[in-house]
Amino acid sequence: GAVVSQHPSRVICKSGTSVKIECRSLDFQATTMFWYRQFPKKSLMLMATSNEGSKATYEQGVEKDKFLINHASLTLSTLTVTSAHPEDSSFYICSATTGTRGFNEQFFGPGTRLTVL
Amino acid sequence: AQSVTQLDSQVPVFEEAPVELRCNYSSSVSVYLFWYVQYPNQGLQLLLKYLSGSTLVKGINGFEAEFNKSQTSFHLRKPSVHISDTAEYFCAVSGESSYKLIFGSGTRLLVRP
Repeated sequence: GAVVSQHPSRVICKSGTSVKIECRSLDFQATTMFWYRQFPKKSLMLMATSNEGSKATYEQGVEKDKFLINHASLTLSTLTVTSAHPEDSSFYICSATTGTRGFNEQFFGPGTRLTVL
Repeated sequence: AQSVTQLDSQVPVFEEAPVELRCNYSSSVSVYLFWYVQYPNQGLQLLLKYLSGSTLVKGINGFEAEFNKSQTSFHLRKPSVHISDTAEYFCAVSGESSYKLIFGSGTRLLVRP
């Protein structure tokens, strides 16, 4: 149980285009989903917290107009990288949880490798 | 504010040898501690977690960790490693006051034959 999927697993796009990444909880309803960014050989940086039906909460320094997050249902959150540039190339990972307490486990997706040419 | 320190960026070890990956945290409130493993180009998998109770926590794949409040540590151990344990390991902390996971910088475990 507690499986989280991401689609696509890998995407290559041209500079200036927009890319949408989907995060789905397959066998549970996720009250909260998180989006992380991971640079090569680096740790995970939390970008934003997403709750179903409400606006995402972005971490300091993350451009909300650049990284659009929509949490349309209890099983789906999307991250859209708008007008992507090479510096947006990274590994994006989502996670989902059933609660908003510190002890609630986050279940991670397999990640999406974005390469912007 | 909470923070996590993983002092060792890489730990090389021979197969079947024991290993310890170090993790220290700082927090002014009660914490919950986690160890995750990440294989290349994959997401994170939970190895084990400490929420409360016994300070010795056993996880998957033969790993265990000990919560030491006085030393603010949560070191990960395995008595005998396998080649397949080669991966990146992340220590993370959350707390009662915040559900956000704060990750350490990661330790790459490199198991050699």
